[in-house]
Amino acid sequence: AQKITQTQPGMFVQEKEAVTLDCTYDTSDPSYGLFWYKQPSSGEMIFLIYQGSYDQQNATEGRYSLNFQKARKSANLVISASQLGDSAMYFCAMREGRGSNYQLIWGAGTKLIIKP
Amino acid sequence: DADVTQTPRNRITKTGKRIMLECSQTKGHDRMYWYRQDPGLGLRLIYYSFDVKDINKGEISDGYSVSRQAQAKFSLSLESAIPNQTALYFCATSDLRGGYYGYTFGSGTRLTVV
Repeated sequence: AQKITQTQPGMFVQEKEAVTLDCTYDTSDPSYGLFWYKQPSSGEMIFLIYQGSYDQQNATEGRYSLNFQKARKSANLVISASQLGDSAMYFCAMREGRGSNYQLIWGAGTKLIIKP
Repeated sequence: DADVTQTPRNRITKTGKRIMLECSQTKGHDRMYWYRQDPGLGLRLIYYSFDVKDINKGEISDGYSVSRQAQAKFSLSLESAIPNQTALYFCATSDLRGGYYGYTFGSGTRLTVV
């Protein structure tokens, strides 16, 4: 079973609009972390935002926020006031466990294209 | 200089050739990883290392080998390259300290096997 699901293979959004990229996860571990990474066409992986399972508030980093709904097991990325430079692949990832053998589990990604 | 440096950035090689991808880091992280990304897909783990003496296979290790020469260096080898190993390869590092648990990535190596 997929542990990280990104249901939107691709999205087109008008510049300056807000964007929500979906991510649902599956884990029975009470301690976990959720990440979003951006991959522009140049290929590098850029860390955007992190949410721990015990964090009481939704994480925010500038124009990025993570809409964390624990009961629904969702961790959607919200980009406010989208810009042309936001066009990229976006990956959601989960870290399970707190022990030394943790791994990041990756979703398949969403390709976001911002239209001028 | 980048925290995680991968060389080469791009490489075209012929089927059957041996090729090595190198990764070095200045983060001081203990953990290093090699991932493969195919077009339109997420990242798949090839090998990972928690320290110099600890090497582990990931989900797609067949056809690959690794060497952790030092805490800061982790190389990936394709002993006999085949066309379906054409992909974007990433090295990453991580550290348990600080509670963040995230990864720092290199810029990637685009490998084409013809």
